[in-house]
Amino acid sequence: TQLLEQSPQFLSIQEGENLTVYCNSSSVFSSLQWYRQEPGEGPVLLVTVVTGGEVKKLKRLTFQFGDARKDSSLHITAAQPGDTGLYLCAGLSGTYKYIFGTGTRLKVLA
Amino acid sequence: KAGVTQTPRYLIKTRGQQVTLSCSPISGHRSVSWYQQTPGQGLQFLFEYFSETQRNKGNFPGRFSGRQFSNSRSEMNVSTLELGDSALYLCASSERTSGQYFGPGTRLTVT
Repeated sequence: TQLLEQSPQFLSIQEGENLTVYCNSSSVFSSLQWYRQEPGEGPVLLVTVVTGGEVKKLKRLTFQFGDARKDSSLHITAAQPGDTGLYLCAGLSGTYKYIFGTGTRLKVLA
Repeated sequence: KAGVTQTPRYLIKTRGQQVTLSCSPISGHRSVSWYQQTPGQGLQFLFEYFSETQRNKGNFPGRFSGRQFSNSRSEMNVSTLELGDSALYLCASSERTSGQYFGPGTRLTVT
């Protein structure tokens, strides 16, 4: 069974701080996605990474795919209250099934 | 392009009843997946349809079923509702392997 473990589960930080969320698995994925979800809404796709070692930047967010395509990280620089939400990673398996991580709930305090 | 739409947004049912939820994917997307999300269990995969065929299935009982139509619209049905079926049901569509686009979800409450 393919699993994706995210850490930390919960994170509460002050505005302006930096943070990193990790997504780890023992399985290889053909691609990996990061999503952000707000209460009562569906997750919103932030990024897809495909190549081992790939790094993508979206404004203050930096996403990295591990060299072996088994893990990923999301780094947020100078967090803002608008970054508050549930962050989910998801890996695409060889059978076209998306495996979702356990989630990281982030709260950024003003 | 219009996003993924789900109807209804909110639903209240009684234990033992059945319910049908609908999902319209992004135009051109042939894959539609369904998920159940609860505070305790997180996002749980129900099933995925691709070109009207169920391609993947999660570990849910047979009370949960789905189908996809030729226009890629999808429905999921839950029969004999139980209190534990109360959840946010999410539909997601995708094209190839570039990630999924989620609808706003249907909040189902079973009383």
